[in-house]
Formats: sequence, structure tokens, C-alpha cells
Amino acid sequence: DGGITQSPKYLFRKEGQNVTLSCEQNLNHDAMYWYRQDPGQGLRLIYYSQIVNDFQKGDIAEGYSVSREKKESFPLTVTSAQKNPTAFYLCASRTIDTEAFFGQGTRLTVV
Amino acid sequence: GQSLEQPSEVTAVEGAIVQINCTYQTSGFYGLSWYQQHDGGAPTFLSYNALDGLEETGRFSSFLSRSDSYGYLLLQELQMKDSASYFCAGSGSARQLTFGSGTQLTVLP
Repeated sequence: DGGITQSPKYLFRKEGQNVTLSCEQNLNHDAMYWYRQDPGQGLRLIYYSQIVNDFQKGDIAEGYSVSREKKESFPLTVTSAQKNPTAFYLCASRTIDTEAFFGQGTRLTVV
Repeated sequence: GQSLEQPSEVTAVEGAIVQINCTYQTSGFYGLSWYQQHDGGAPTFLSYNALDGLEETGRFSSFLSRSDSYGYLLLQELQMKDSASYFCAGSGSARQLTFGSGTQLTVLP
């Protein structure tokens, strides 16, 4: 079955650590996106990529980094520069100007 | 940049009709889509309007007016399971997908 998979579902980070969230899709979609969602809030765009080896900053890119070495994969690294990383992180993919498919999300907590 | 505005909360009773509005400001607009998200879950796609007019999908319909930078989602024959957050999303000239802040729909018995 085609789909988009995020891992892990839950992640705990110590202060000062970098952590990487995985996002893999087998839908053959060109575009991939990372969003952050805080409780009771909307989805804020962190980074997006329309093609392999290219990506653009979204509205809240500071403290995050991404790579797009393969069409299927778009990992997000939450760096120590992100001062308030506790949130629900959602990855999505789509063919441009069509519906987006979302993974089940990763809940990141700073301990 | 892009911004999409929608009401934060809407309440309606079972069986009723509810409309969730969305106004947007974006350069090079490519269409408006709608997503549903239940608590703790991932958003799921409901509808997409690339052109002006009404799109109907079962109990859900969506409307777009490019000249007014406005769209809405219409939910008919409301059911308890429709209680969720609803997001409008727009795609601009850079093909980023930006979401509104969401509307929490509560359906009462």
C-alpha cells in the first residue's frame, strides 16, 4: 500500500541535543513538507521541497534543518538552536496542486 | 507571503448545516483546499477548488471566489463524528502549502 510514514511516533530530547525525525513516502510525490503544530493551533510550515536536492524555508525555519537526497525521503533535524521544540510534527507529500497526504506525526518532547 | 483567515470556533447541532469561511492573501494563488483533523490525528483531505465555483463531495461542498479571495466549506447533515478541526490551505506561486489557523467545529446532539 502506498503511503507516508513518520518515525518515531514519540521522541524525547534532552536540552542541547539535535534530533532527527524521519519521513518516507512511496507515493512517487515530488513535493514534501514539514509542519509544526502546537496544542490548539494550526499547522505552521517549517520547510518544503519540490524536487530532490532542493528545498525552501517556510515561515518558521529557524532552528531546523532538512535534506532531500532521495525523492522518497525528507528528514527533519531539530537542532539545539530551536529553543522551544516541544510540539507535534507533521510531514506531508503531494503532487503539485493536488491533495496532500500526511504521515501520522511525531510528538517531540524536551525533557 | 501568504495568510489565510478562518473563524476559530463554530458550534452547530446534529443534522444542521454549517459554513466555515476562509479569506486569503497570497501572491500567485493556485487553489484552495480543505482538511479535517480529529484530536491527536493527522489531517485528511476533504476538497480542493482550483477554479471559481462549487465542488460537491457527498455531505461536504467547497466554494471558491478568486475575485473576492474567499472560500468556504459547507457541511450538511451534520453528524457527531464531524466534530473536529477544519483547515483551509492555499498554494502560492512558490508552491508552498500554507494552512489557516483552523476552525474547531463542535456538533451538539
